[in-house]
Amino acid sequence: EPEVTQTPSHQVTQMGQEVILRCVPISNHLYFYWYRQILGQKVEFLVSFYNNEISEKSEIFDDQFSVERPDGSNFTLKIRSTKLEDSAMYFCASRGLAGGPLNEQFFGPGTRLTVL
Amino acid sequence: ILNVEQSPQSLHVQEGDSTNFTCSFPSSNFYALHWYRWETAKSPEALFVMTLNGDEKKKGRISATLNTKEGYSYLYIKGSQPEDSATYLCAFLRNTDKLIFGTGTRLQVFP
Repeated sequence: EPEVTQTPSHQVTQMGQEVILRCVPISNHLYFYWYRQILGQKVEFLVSFYNNEISEKSEIFDDQFSVERPDGSNFTLKIRSTKLEDSAMYFCASRGLAGGPLNEQFFGPGTRLTVL
Repeated sequence: ILNVEQSPQSLHVQEGDSTNFTCSFPSSNFYALHWYRWETAKSPEALFVMTLNGDEKKKGRISATLNTKEGYSYLYIKGSQPEDSATYLCAFLRNTDKLIFGTGTRLQVFP
């Protein structure tokens, strides 16, 4: 069964460093998302991406964040200069075209980012 | 501010017990409600996408109902098994493409 994959599963970085979190969405999906969950809090939407551009972003997704689909398979989230409060589990999700937003979003297993 | 709440926060039941949890969400501009099952160290897995008031969906021993007028959904598990232990998340969809999640209900089923 097709699945969303994410690498690495755990990333530890120093404050101020850049990190890139990688995702491989399901191959025929066209809509891509990043969410995050800070420990003990709700899963929060960060950004959605379609047709090589951002469709929507939350107030969390400031200039320190960027997303890219560098080739036909990967979808990346870059945090330019990490802060302690960026420590969280980051989830990538994708969905197909059929059914529009009513279609389920398929989630990856997450990347746990720890900023020291 | 859109708020999606789930209760209870956690639940411990014995194998064979039936259980249910609640998700409440804003009733205005409703588009859809998603239920996800999330086991530790795995991907959240979609259980149901519910759209119509009065909807009832079923997958095996798990079922869900939806009331969009009053803004709540119930998830039921009949005859809980240890493998049902997971966090159950609901997520509200308005007329955009972003899911707004509740806090989750953490279910532990003891043999």
